[in-house]
Amino acid sequence: GQQVMQIPQYQHVQEGEDFTTYCNSSTTLSNIQWYKQRPGGHPVFLIQLVKSGEVKKQKRLTFQFGEAKKNSSLHITATQTTDVGTYFCAGPPDSGYSTLTFGKGTMLLVSP
Amino acid sequence: NAGVTQTPKFQVLKTGQSMTLQCAQDMNHNSMYWYRQDPGMGLRLIYYSASEGTTDKGEVPNGYNVSRLNKREFSLRLESAAPSQTSVYFCASSATGAGWTEAFFGQGTRLTVV
Repeated sequence: GQQVMQIPQYQHVQEGEDFTTYCNSSTTLSNIQWYKQRPGGHPVFLIQLVKSGEVKKQKRLTFQFGEAKKNSSLHITATQTTDVGTYFCAGPPDSGYSTLTFGKGTMLLVSP
Repeated sequence: NAGVTQTPKFQVLKTGQSMTLQCAQDMNHNSMYWYRQDPGMGLRLIYYSASEGTTDKGEVPNGYNVSRLNKREFSLRLESAAPSQTSVYFCASSATGAGWTEAFFGQGTRLTVV
C-alpha cells in the first residue's frame, strides 16, 4: 500500500536559520496537504497543493509539489521560536479520497 | 466557533475497562475520523465515517468500535482497554473526503491504560 515518508524526523536549529522538511510518496499523489502541530496541540491545516510543480508561499513558508507529484517540501526561511512544532505531510491513499495518510512528521525545535 | 469538540480531554483506565470517547462537530461536515498518535508513529487512522450512516475500518481498527450517531457525532469505543491502547486520540472532520479537503481536528484525548 501507499507509504508517505518524511525526512528528517527531527531538526534543531538556531533562530534565524532556515529549515526544510521533505515528503516522499511511494505512489503518485493527486494532491498533498501540510499540517502543523504545536507541542501539546492538535494538527492544524496549513496548505494543499494540487498541481504538478506547484509552489505556494505563506509569509516565510514555501511549499513545493514535485513535477512527478510523488514528493513535496516545506521550507521555512529565517525560523522563529513560534515555528516550533511537528510538521506533517498527508495525502489520499491509493483507495480513494475518503481519508488521509499522514507521514510520521518532522519535529522542529528552534533555539533563541 | 467550537469546530470539533472531544471529551474527555484526559482519561486513565485500568486494563480491561471500557470507555467511549465522544466527538462532535458543528461545521455540518459529512466525513469524520478517529486517529491515534503515538511517539514516532505519526497519525494512524482507526476508523472513519465518510457520511452519516456509514463507517469503515482504517489502518489500526483492532480493539475499537465506532458509532456515527448522527451527522454531528462520531464516538469511539474501547470495549476492553489494553496498555497498547495508551495514546493520544484525535477526532477530525472534513466537508467531503479528507483526501481532497482540509481536515479539522479536535483538541485530543490523552488516554493512559494501566
